[in-house]
Amino acid sequence: SSELTQDPAVSVALGHTVRITCQGDSLRNYYASWYQQKPGQAPLLVIYAENNRPSGIPDRFSGSSSGNTASLTITGAQADDEADYYCHSRDSSGNHRIFGGGTKLTVL
Amino acid sequence: QVQLVQSGAEVKKPGSSVKVSCKASGYTFTSRGITWVRQAPGQGLEWMGWISTNKGNTDSAQKFQGRFTMTTDTSTSTAYMELRSLTSDDTAIYFCARDIDMDVWGQGTTVTVSS
Repeated sequence: SSELTQDPAVSVALGHTVRITCQGDSLRNYYASWYQQKPGQAPLLVIYAENNRPSGIPDRFSGSSSGNTASLTITGAQADDEADYYCHSRDSSGNHRIFGGGTKLTVL
Repeated sequence: QVQLVQSGAEVKKPGSSVKVSCKASGYTFTSRGITWVRQAPGQGLEWMGWISTNKGNTDSAQKFQGRFTMTTDTSTSTAYMELRSLTSDDTAIYFCARDIDMDVWGQGTTVTVSS
């Protein structure tokens, strides 16, 4: 079982705001990053070091953290945002890195 | 542009080994490490390990220790990962990505383990 826990599936109406969460003890001490993956494609970094966007990522993507939970928020979700989203950070020992189980986002 | 290009698909027998390459271009290879990630069919991402392209030190997931090796060839800006004692559970797409943040990804290499 993964030490970073994500909801398997989340849905959002087009243009609305959605928050995808990632829970784990290690998140109290380490930043999370977030990756978007569409079918048949390699993952894409959308947020790193908790709340930083790489060049080219729309500003509707934002990250935050509180306690043992990291969140990815999409403000004004677009059809193109439909994808799997994975959080990534260190495991509870802090020695190694792990991914969350992933959240499938459906845009209605 | 920054690019990671991986070697082609592999079909392997159980018990054998596979070596996947990842050639970097568009940046100074030794300035950023390389992470390896795999994804079994229909499953999520699994972090395998990271290698410093500058010093060669590595960090790998405990489940792979003992049968997983990461290396680099700085003369060709290429990283390699080798997985030994393959079983059907190792059937997956193997990705390389740039450094710990994984801001650039290779296209993936499909490894199929079948008798």
